[in-house]
Amino acid sequence: KAGVTQTPRYLIKTRGQQVTLSCSPISGHRSVSWYQQTPGQGLQFLFEYFSETQRNKGNFPGRFSGRQFSNSRSEMNVSTLELGDSALYLCASRLTGDRDEQFFGPGTRLTVL
Amino acid sequence: GQQVMQIPQYQHVQEGEDFTTYCNSSTTLSNIQWYKQRPGGHPVFLIQLVKSGEVKKQKRLTFQFGEAKKNSSLHITATQTTDVGTYFCAGRSMDSSYKLIFGSGTRLLVRP
Repeated sequence: KAGVTQTPRYLIKTRGQQVTLSCSPISGHRSVSWYQQTPGQGLQFLFEYFSETQRNKGNFPGRFSGRQFSNSRSEMNVSTLELGDSALYLCASRLTGDRDEQFFGPGTRLTVL
Repeated sequence: GQQVMQIPQYQHVQEGEDFTTYCNSSTTLSNIQWYKQRPGGHPVFLIQLVKSGEVKKQKRLTFQFGEAKKNSSLHITATQTTDVGTYFCAGRSMDSSYKLIFGSGTRLLVRP
């Protein structure tokens, strides 16, 4: 099976712009979660989607949003970018049920100038 | 809200020495998971513990889940240079939110 894929892998934006990141989960996985990883803050949970519905949301401002499509692919959007949004954005998919293992994608490295 | 604390932040060991990282949750967990992230890579799942007091082994790695299901540890015996990376615990909450919260990670460096 193909792993979790994320596009683009690298992105450079300027303050005030908006960005959309994409994640394709492993085939058959219906749950997709997004995380922000920075050197000082570790892995911070953004949100989780299951069957096109947001199940959980972390403590991020409303500038961060996401959605999931009927094929389980997910996108996250960050509007009005700030310098502090520079980070590695990781997407993870999982099968639901007893096996809670998260399969991470390679991430999108976002740099805000 | 739920918090997962992990210590130490860094550990620098001589190859062959043992290594332990500890994870503590502010709330009782449904399960705890451990991940390893190599430098420049993404987190990779190692194991999931579900039962109170559970102990699991993977070769030189030993994972424990506390009796109260609020703490966990990962112990590596006789470290090797291939063990280098950051080890994260992640706790799944038992409440209706069912959130998975990651600890801040322990970065392991191994001197050859």
